[in-house]
Amino acid sequence: GQNIDQPTEMTATEGAIVQINCTYQTSGFNGLFWYQQHAGEAPTFLSYNVLDGLEEKGRFSSFLSRSKGYSYLLLKELQMKDSASYLCACLDSNYQLIWGAGTKLIIKP
Amino acid sequence: DTAVSQTPKYLVTQMGNDKSIKCEQNLGHDTMYWYKQDSKKFLKIMFSYNNKELIINETVPNRFSPKSPDKAHLNLHINSLELGDSAVYFCASSPRTGEYSPLHFGNGTRLTVT
Repeated sequence: GQNIDQPTEMTATEGAIVQINCTYQTSGFNGLFWYQQHAGEAPTFLSYNVLDGLEEKGRFSSFLSRSKGYSYLLLKELQMKDSASYLCACLDSNYQLIWGAGTKLIIKP
Repeated sequence: DTAVSQTPKYLVTQMGNDKSIKCEQNLGHDTMYWYKQDSKKFLKIMFSYNNKELIINETVPNRFSPKSPDKAHLNLHINSLELGDSAVYFCASSPRTGEYSPLHFGNGTRLTVT
């Protein structure tokens, strides 16, 4: 079956760095997305990786290793507004999105 | 504003009723979707609609039906509502199906069935 695993919840301190991991098993692979979802709001697109390596976008970076079925989202210089859920999603061979349950990130002052 | 908009934001109704949720996108996207997010926060695809092609998730009960009057609208009709239908429903759109095509989500409709 297809499966995406992420930690349920993580806690980090304002100003610090946090890494949110995602492992996946899918029928084929056509890329991996990260979305941010604040409580009570819609998910918003953060990043997309299809090739191995690190994609940097400001304070956020996303890494992919296709051979390991692994990705992480790295958030630097954490701000209180980064408190949200972070959703990992993979495109399978049929270009269907398979979603993880999300990681709730709590930022403490 | 360019966006995906859905109404209503909140919907409280009783078991057995029939209800609709409306969705409109003015982004010029070709593909629209309906997702259900349950209490465990999993996003589950219900339908995708692209150029009059409807793809249905086979796990979705046939009480749920999408209606698309045109490319910019995809409404969701639900018949004979059940307690288990309580969830947040998100409409989304993307420029095209497949490939690198991030989703743009509406703000969600929180459905509560009593």
